[in-house]
This record gives sequence, C-alpha cells and structure tokens, in this order.
Amino acid sequence: SQQGEEDPQALSIQEGENATMNCSYKTSINNLQWYRQNSGRGLVHLILIRSNEREKHSGRLRVTLDTSKKSSSLLITASRAADTASYFCATDQGGSEKLVFGKGTKLTVNP
Amino acid sequence: DGGITQSPKYLFRKEGQNVTLSCEQNLNHDAMYWYRQDPGQGLRLIYYSQIVNDFQKGDIAEGYSVSREKKESFPLTVTSAQKNPTAFYLCASSIAKGREQFFGPGTRLTVL
Repeated sequence: SQQGEEDPQALSIQEGENATMNCSYKTSINNLQWYRQNSGRGLVHLILIRSNEREKHSGRLRVTLDTSKKSSSLLITASRAADTASYFCATDQGGSEKLVFGKGTKLTVNP
Repeated sequence: DGGITQSPKYLFRKEGQNVTLSCEQNLNHDAMYWYRQDPGQGLRLIYYSQIVNDFQKGDIAEGYSVSREKKESFPLTVTSAQKNPTAFYLCASSIAKGREQFFGPGTRLTVL
C-alpha cells in the first residue's frame, strides 16, 4: 500500500536555486521522515519530523508538516549539483512497526 | 566502523534457482527490514523483524523467505516461486519501530 505520494515526480533546477518537494499521506502518523537516494545506492536518512512539530531545519534542509492537510514539504535551499538524487518521504502510519515509502521525487541540479 | 552491509552487490540467477541475499549490521539494532525497489518506483516492504527469531510478512512476501537467527543478520532468500525477481533489494535496520532506518548499499538481482 502506498502511503506517501511525492510531488512533483521530477524536478530540474539550476545550481543555487531552491528546490521544493511535497508529500501527501492518507492516515494518521506519529512521524514523517525524508530520505535521499543517489542513483544505484541505498537510502540515506535526512530528517524526521514528529506529528506535533510544524517545522524542522537541518543545515540547508527545511521540512514542514501540516497534519490537518496530511502533507509535508522538503525545501533544499541554495542547491548544489551534489544534491542531485531521488527524495522519498516515509510515514509510520500511526505507530506501525513499518514505514511506508512514497515513489519519490527525482531532483536534478544542473551546474 | 558501524554500518549495514549487503552482499553481493550484483547477483545473476537462472530461472528456477533459489538465491540468498546477505544483510549484516553491527549497529546493535533490534529491527531489520527487506525492501524491493523497481525502476522509478518507491520501496515495497518484503519482510521485517523486530527481534531475533521473529519476523513478519510485509506487503509483497510471496516468493520470498527470511530467517533471523542472530541479531546482526537477516538473510533474504528469493525462491523460484517469485515470478518476477529482477529488482534492486535493500536491507535496512532501525533501533526501534518508527525510528530512522539505516540502509545497506543494496543488491541488484537479475534473472537470466
């Protein structure tokens, strides 16, 4: 079952620009997580935001969560070519033992 | 060096053969997971284990089997019953349910 759905599916920007990706989900959650995957590699955890938090920052990353709309956004500021990757959101479906991942947003940052 | 390893990186199998993918972690995590990823797709959960000697089916367990005899190890067997096994397989571990997961580098399985 697909819980999170990222939007857009693909995004192409120039270095230095900001990139915004969105995630929508269907059921209640305890937390929402964002991961990055470079081509052909494993996923790397970026940030976790709890259901009682509205915004969280980590370096150039800013994540927001709106539980009333069941949506989250990931903002990458001042993007770099090295940010080129696929980005996935994952939710725990209200404390479930497992995470459910979306299909991801493929970000290309052009030098 | 703490981490999670998977081997082999690439695996080729003939139709009708069973193959076992290795996953080892030295992070002292209780929970371990196996995912399948198809091109341009997200991750789908195959099996997961919250504790040694216990595991549960995920969303697409048919044609797969696992064991969890040691905390550090969670091997996945892709059996001949799996109709379309060619995919990228990812193993992950977590200190507890709902927490961040640490992923291995993946194994790309191709059925010839």
